Amino acid sequence: GESVGLHLPTLSVQEGDNSIINCAYSNSASDYFIWYKQESGKGPQFIIDIRSNMDKRQGQRVTVLLNKTVKHLSLQIAATQPGDSAVYFCAENYRTGGFKTIFGAGTRLFVKA
Amino acid sequence: GAGVSQSPRYKVAKRGQDVALRCDPISGHVSLFWYQQALGQGPEFLTYFQNEAQLDKSGLPSDRFFAERPEGSVSTLKIQRTQQEDSAVYLCASSPTGVNTGELFFGEGSRLTVL
Repeated sequence: GESVGLHLPTLSVQEGDNSIINCAYSNSASDYFIWYKQESGKGPQFIIDIRSNMDKRQGQRVTVLLNKTVKHLSLQIAATQPGDSAVYFCAENYRTGGFKTIFGAGTRLFVKA
Repeated sequence: GAGVSQSPRYKVAKRGQDVALRCDPISGHVSLFWYQQALGQGPEFLTYFQNEAQLDKSGLPSDRFFAERPEGSVSTLKIQRTQQEDSAVYLCASSPTGVNTGELFFGEGSRLTVL
């Protein structure tokens, strides 16, 4: 498959450790946020979301934290596994007579066995 | 399967040629997006449809880019007189609603290489 994220910021973690990926968003009007995972040669895949009236949401092995004051999102992955290796993007939604989803720059996660 | 389908997966065009990229969204999905993803970058918004209406085309980089969704299902992104800077992966995504609190379902993309 084709490689994505060759020039993205990179996070390298040991298998079993926790990972934290950070993201800054840009639009104060954004009211819904999503983390996506993208593997080589594939489209982004939904991981977890959070609405702007929340500051934390937990899923299976993943937690998203939202700090609206500084417009910051983070994704925490517990007990990182080799299958978690991918590029991770945060995305923000805001309404524009419909809606628009805007993606952040992305972080490449390497998991060392 | 029942996912978003894009064709062709790979397209090589000579500079100046016209190309057409097709997206079959998930059946019944109201919203459809096109994104452009250059190597090492995040997806960049191009355009958005709600059913057959193109509500936002602010991301289309030039008038060489045109998108349509005439019957509110299949969409085509057309690029006229392709340039080398158009080389990228073009991603299509759909969403079941027209509200902004839902995930996008992405296809695997169409990789365009302009020589």
